[in-house]
Amino acid sequence: GEDVEQSLFLSVREGDSSVINCTYTDSSSTYLYWYKQEPGAGLQLLTYIFSNMDMKQDQRLTVLLNKKDKHLSLRIADTQTGDSAIYFCAESNDYKLSFGAGTTVTVRA
Amino acid sequence: SAVISQKPSRDICQRGTSLTIQCQVDSQVTMMFWYRQQPGQSLTLIATANQGSEATYESGFVIDKFPISRPNLTFSTLTVSNMSPEDSSIYLCSVFYREEFSFNTQYFGPGTRLTVL
Repeated sequence: GEDVEQSLFLSVREGDSSVINCTYTDSSSTYLYWYKQEPGAGLQLLTYIFSNMDMKQDQRLTVLLNKKDKHLSLRIADTQTGDSAIYFCAESNDYKLSFGAGTTVTVRA
Repeated sequence: SAVISQKPSRDICQRGTSLTIQCQVDSQVTMMFWYRQQPGQSLTLIATANQGSEATYESGFVIDKFPISRPNLTFSTLTVSNMSPEDSSIYLCSVFYREEFSFNTQYFGPGTRLTVL
């Protein structure tokens, strides 16, 4: 089955950039996603990338994909306190998503 | 995007009882899914809710424990039967949605927080 791994915690100073890393094992993954879960809330789709792309930028978010190494990263520029949340990496090659364990990002003043 | 609502948003239940969770989508969608997120854990797919036929369950999940209904293209229910404290989780409904000229993606409901005493 698919396996998605992420580091569990990240602490970053307000205004700095955050980089969250993810690795996956399924080489047939077609889509890769980043979801955000704030405390007590459901999952919010942040951004996604097709497997045939290597970069996608969306305002403060930059997604980098290294398909050869099966490595995905999410960079958040100018991190704000509202960015404190759990970030989930997920992959799919059909309709089913496989999620990583989530990275808890804490933004400190 | 698809807007998804779930009822109830949270509940505290006694061991041995059952709870039915409702999921409503604001547009017709082909595929709906139910996920479980145990405390401090990631999401695990329970089943795909199929309209007009029986749900398709993932390994480790069975219909007797998690019966699912999907009477139409905008609504589904998940029942957690004969609950035990190990069933305490967040249960999330999601839909696979194709946006015009865009990308197929999955949206999630706000979740139902279940605590079993």
